[in-house]
Amino acid sequence: EAGVAQSPRYKIIEKRQSVAFWCNPISGHATLYWYQQILGQGPKLLIQFQNNGVVDDSQLPKDRFSAERLKGVDSTLKIQPAKLEDSAVYLCASSPIPRTGTGVNTEAFFGQGTRLTVV
Amino acid sequence: AQSVTQLDSHVSVSEGTPVLLRCNYSSSYSPSLFWYVQHPNKGLQLLLKYTSAATLVKGINGFEAEFKKSETSFHLTKPSAHMSDAAEYFCVVRPMFSGGYNKLIFGAGTRLAVHP
Repeated sequence: EAGVAQSPRYKIIEKRQSVAFWCNPISGHATLYWYQQILGQGPKLLIQFQNNGVVDDSQLPKDRFSAERLKGVDSTLKIQPAKLEDSAVYLCASSPIPRTGTGVNTEAFFGQGTRLTVV
Repeated sequence: AQSVTQLDSHVSVSEGTPVLLRCNYSSSYSPSLFWYVQHPNKGLQLLLKYTSAATLVKGINGFEAEFKKSETSFHLTKPSAHMSDAAEYFCVVRPMFSGGYNKLIFGAGTRLAVHP
């Protein structure tokens, strides 16, 4: 089974430039997450999609970050303009919808991440 | 509000000695619980997950965790550490009632160092 694919793996940009990351989740997974992981910290949820609808974007800096999930499959995360503090690893993950009442706990499957350095 | 606390930011052990990484959660109801591992420059890999079927959960690479509802804990253990276990470990909670949206809450992580 193919895993979560992310690209690029690494990106270096200057501040005030724009950048985009791409994620292809595991086939059939309805839930897609974007996390930001700053060095030395745990992942922080930026946005969560269920199919192509946003269910949580409370921690997304909407003045500069945007994300979309086309047709409920692939997703892109964009930063425009980037700031120095956006330097981090951006992780994409996907999971199936939990099946309530079955005792099945659905974990999230993570991609390798994109390491962004803003200089 | 649901949260998860990893009690140690760094743990250092000698190869061959036991590992204990501590995790406490707060949740109004029994949540789903997971441990993930992250090796340098790698993505997150699931170590184990708690289902309601058994309180002692066995995972990959010899790790296991015990769900203790009375203590709201889900500590990760391994009898004998290997050098390859050196990594960052994350305890993750999924609240039972998250609107059906599979919300995941991460702890801050514990960095495990293993010395020869």
